Amino acid sequence: KNEVEQSPQNLTAQEGEFITINCSYSVGISALHWLQQHPGGGIFSLFMPSSGKKKHGRLIATINIQEKHSSLHITASHPRDSAVYICAFLNAGGTSYGKLTFGQGTILTVHP
Amino acid sequence: DGGITQSPKYLFRKEGQNVTLSCEQNLNHDAMYWYRQDPGQGLRLIYYSQIVNDFQKGDIAEGYSVSREKKESFPLTVTSAQKNPTAFYLCASSIGPGSYEQYFGPGTRLTVT
Repeated sequence: KNEVEQSPQNLTAQEGEFITINCSYSVGISALHWLQQHPGGGIFSLFMPSSGKKKHGRLIATINIQEKHSSLHITASHPRDSAVYICAFLNAGGTSYGKLTFGQGTILTVHP
Repeated sequence: DGGITQSPKYLFRKEGQNVTLSCEQNLNHDAMYWYRQDPGQGLRLIYYSQIVNDFQKGDIAEGYSVSREKKESFPLTVTSAQKNPTAFYLCASSIGPGSYEQYFGPGTRLTVT
């Protein structure tokens, strides 16, 4: 079983729709990342939610440490949100600092 | 502007040749990382370096080698021993101990035929 599972793998939406991407993990973590990968390949950090909910513009990230689950929401989606969204985490108690485990990514396509 | 540069963006090589991918950062970060990305899979760690002149193998180090002679540079050599070298390679860096936020370069797409 993978340590991290993202769902859905592919997501297609119409402009304006509310988007939810889920990330579940099976180990204790000390940090979680949400990343965005653009079609050209560049990866950018979006959020590092530590607990509860964090909001940045139209993006909202929630994390439930007890349930080992995090979600990334996009409100009023736009075609420019089309990208691959990746969750990644740092194992709790890991000896190699900064060593992240990555989900396989969710491919989001937003149509006008 | 501070950031991470990788060059070239696209690289083509013949099977059996070694190839070196460059990664440079001017963020004054101590830690640097190399990842490989294949379709439908998460990023996998090849090598990482916590400090100059030190590096450790990641999860898929076989067929790869690195060096860290300067703080700002962490080149990756894909050797002929790597069975499936065609992939997208990403370099990243982080401030140092205790920091898990990683900054990524634009990546290099390597095609070996």
